[in-house]
Amino acid sequence: EIVMTQSPATLSVSPGERATLSCRASQSISNNLAWYQQKPGQAPRLLISGASTRATAIPARFSGSGSGTEFTLTITSLQSEDFAVYYCQHYNTWPPRTFGQGTKVEIK
Amino acid sequence: EVQLVEAGGGFVQPGGSLRLSCVASGFTFNIYSMSWVRQAPGKGLEWVSTISGSGGNTYYADSVKGRFTISRDNSKNTVYLQLNSLRAEDTAIYYCTKDSYYFHFWGQGTLVTVSS
Repeated sequence: EIVMTQSPATLSVSPGERATLSCRASQSISNNLAWYQQKPGQAPRLLISGASTRATAIPARFSGSGSGTEFTLTITSLQSEDFAVYYCQHYNTWPPRTFGQGTKVEIK
Repeated sequence: EVQLVEAGGGFVQPGGSLRLSCVASGFTFNIYSMSWVRQAPGKGLEWVSTISGSGGNTYYADSVKGRFTISRDNSKNTVYLQLNSLRAEDTAIYYCTKDSYYFHFWGQGTLVTVSS
């Protein structure tokens, strides 16, 4: 099973600043990585697939990068609606497809 | 517009059973795999099960293998998850997802609570 590890667990950021979230896979997953955003009381929403391809209607301030085992989600100029929990998920060799434990982006 | 609407959650005692359903609309249902992903209260996301578009291939997480069964009825644009031998640790919101290897669209979820 591929283990996904996200860091940090919590990220405190001021509105308008940049947030950088990390996700590491326990073995190479090429670019088979997705990022999701989840707000309290809501279902997760796909942000990024293929490590760097934004889903439909996702603002350009969200960007993904990386391949192999190291991945980054960057949110430039954080807006109030961006404070949420973010999960990474691999879809390389499966089952199972596993998620990271999540990074909570909170208001500083 | 893709819509996924789950139903069937509820309160059940340990050892009991439930059947969840998910009605899909807004896309060609029978060509897409569908999956269930769950989230225990205050916890992260866990993939549970996947079924191929034809229904011919099914996959399960080890934590539910032998207890849960996924199925679909393409004539009704519906995917099901039969939950048997339920345990307290199965308590979670169960989300239905349109599967493109990543989970492209999500329903609003249905809560399953297993408690005596």
